[in-house]
Amino acid sequence: DAKTTQPPSMDCAEGRAANLPCNHSTISGNEYVYWYRQIHSQGPQYIIHGLKNNETNEMASLIITEDRKSSTLILPHATLRDTAVYYCIVRAPTSGTYKYIFGTGTRLKVLA
Amino acid sequence: GAGVSQSPSNKVTEKGKDVELRCDPISGHTALYWYRQSLGQGLEFLIYFQGNSAPDKSGLPSDRFSAERTGGSVSTLTIQRTQQEDSAVYLCASSSQGTPLHFGNGTRLTVT
Repeated sequence: DAKTTQPPSMDCAEGRAANLPCNHSTISGNEYVYWYRQIHSQGPQYIIHGLKNNETNEMASLIITEDRKSSTLILPHATLRDTAVYYCIVRAPTSGTYKYIFGTGTRLKVLA
Repeated sequence: GAGVSQSPSNKVTEKGKDVELRCDPISGHTALYWYRQSLGQGLEFLIYFQGNSAPDKSGLPSDRFSAERTGGSVSTLTIQRTQQEDSAVYLCASSSQGTPLHFGNGTRLTVT
């Protein structure tokens, strides 16, 4: 299974863009990159996912490098409510369905 | 519709007792996952179900842990002869073909 590495923590000023990096250098060609976040005492929440093209939704943008060995999650205008642990995951196909392996994530703190 | 529901939300048990944790997935979701999260740590994969079968039990920490799923819906994670190191939040998630994981808010297990 491909693994991911993320910085353990980051700070971001409120209203600024938060750019969260993720390395997944052993990713396979058919594996997607998923991002989730976990706010204290809650289950993880899905944010966005992509295969090779950049993706954008109402929550965030996902930029995947051409070689797919790394990606960046962008929160364009961070708010205090975006303070959370952000997980970058590579979806590993196994036995016909998909097993999600979570790393240790990045603890993002948005500062007022 | 309703999200993933887990019960109980909190469970305190004495060392050596058995516990059962329940997960009620989103209706129609065929895949169901169990994860464990120790304090301040990331998510540790335990087991997943596709329908009622569990193709991958590789994450179960010991033979004291077991899980079943009946009727392609509700799942129960059972821990026998609990130990203090079993104390953690146990998270359940479900998904269907092509959809991201949807998590419950977990069961916080404390073994005294």
